[in-house]
Amino acid sequence: EAGVTQFPSHSVIEKGQTVTLRCDPISGHDNLYWYRRVMGKEIKFLLHFVKESKQDESGMPNNRFLAERTGGTYSTLKVQPAELEDSGVYFCASSPGQRTNEQFFGPGTRLTVL
Amino acid sequence: GDSVTQMEGPVTLSEEAFLTINCTYTATGYPSLFWYVQYPGEGLQLLLKATKADDKGSNKGFEATYRKETTSFHLEKGSVQVSDSAVYFCALKSSNSGYALNFGKGTSLLVTP
Repeated sequence: EAGVTQFPSHSVIEKGQTVTLRCDPISGHDNLYWYRRVMGKEIKFLLHFVKESKQDESGMPNNRFLAERTGGTYSTLKVQPAELEDSGVYFCASSPGQRTNEQFFGPGTRLTVL
Repeated sequence: GDSVTQMEGPVTLSEEAFLTINCTYTATGYPSLFWYVQYPGEGLQLLLKATKADDKGSNKGFEATYRKETTSFHLEKGSVQVSDSAVYFCALKSSNSGYALNFGKGTSLLVTP
């Protein structure tokens, strides 16, 4: 069974540009999560989808971040316009239906904003 | 709010040494506690978990006991191997706030032959 995949693995952009990160969850997992790790800090929760609906977006830092999950399959996270402080590693995770289930993480996308 | 504090790294040990990575937490209610591991170039993997006080999680020779009285969940292994070199993250999931995991900063472990 394929795990969670993320694309790209690395992205280097300039301040003010737009970047779109993609996450493909494990097939059949209704729950999809985005997390972010800024250098030297904790991994922080960004948001949680259940199928195509945003269940919890309390961790989204500001309105420059837009997450979508059309059709309840893969998800995209767009940053527009990117700022220097957006640099970090963005992780996606997925899990089956129950709250107690393990979250399976992807390898992350390393975003560098210059 | 909820938070997790784990010891700063990097930690460097010789093969077969004893490992302890300290983790303490602050949370309301009765959280579930986790240790995740990230090997180089890979995503985070669940290493072990405990869902209530005095539970002991164990996997691959690693253990951690949920201590409510000291709000701790320290990770231990009796004899580390080079293949254990990775970054270890302590995390909690609150009992009363959704599905989000709340992580510590991570501890980098390097095991040398």
